[in-house]
Amino acid sequence: GENVEQHPSTLSVQEGDSAVIKCTYSDSASNYFPWYKQELGKRPQLIIDIRSNVGEKKDQRIAVTLNKTAKHFSLHITETQPEDSAVYFCAASTGGANSKLTFGKGITLSVRP
Amino acid sequence: DGGITQSPKYLFRKEGQNVTLSCEQNLNHDAMYWYRQDPGQGLRLIYYSQIVNDFQKGDIAEGYSVSREKKESFPLTVTSAQKNPTAFYLCASSIMISTDTQYFGPGTRLTVL
Repeated sequence: GENVEQHPSTLSVQEGDSAVIKCTYSDSASNYFPWYKQELGKRPQLIIDIRSNVGEKKDQRIAVTLNKTAKHFSLHITETQPEDSAVYFCAASTGGANSKLTFGKGITLSVRP
Repeated sequence: DGGITQSPKYLFRKEGQNVTLSCEQNLNHDAMYWYRQDPGQGLRLIYYSQIVNDFQKGDIAEGYSVSREKKESFPLTVTSAQKNPTAFYLCASSIMISTDTQYFGPGTRLTVL
């Protein structure tokens, strides 16, 4: 089955700097890659996703890049703010019938004011 | 994701007792899921259901049971066979199993004393 790994497990950046969180996956058939943000004590919420037919997607300060050859995808946050502090989960799915999302273990991002 | 509710928010039970966690959605989604979240472990899939009266085991189904008698409801029972039931439980739904974008409920924190 699919295996999704995130590195590092924690990341600390200064407010205003950029943050990059990387995920690797094992199943070359995976074609859907979402990113979820979970603030302390709250539910995970989808912040951006990408499908395998594109290499990059942007939404304001957030972008995701996908390298299918290397089987990794990354979340980029520019001009970080304290409210970006949260746990970020990446996931992967093949997208077909009976497909299911496989999540990474999450990365805790801390933005220092 | 405001259309997915879980109750109760906190639940305490004695060891050896079965307990049922509620999950309701009014989003008209066909697919529903149960995840378990432990610190540093990410989101692990317990059970999922693609349609009413159908469900499949996820990665950690042992000690859990579900039912899907109505489209809106997907209750999870944590049985006494679950060796380490104390955790944060998240319910999610998506339009169909293949569309993948999942919307999460607020979660139930179960503590077994």
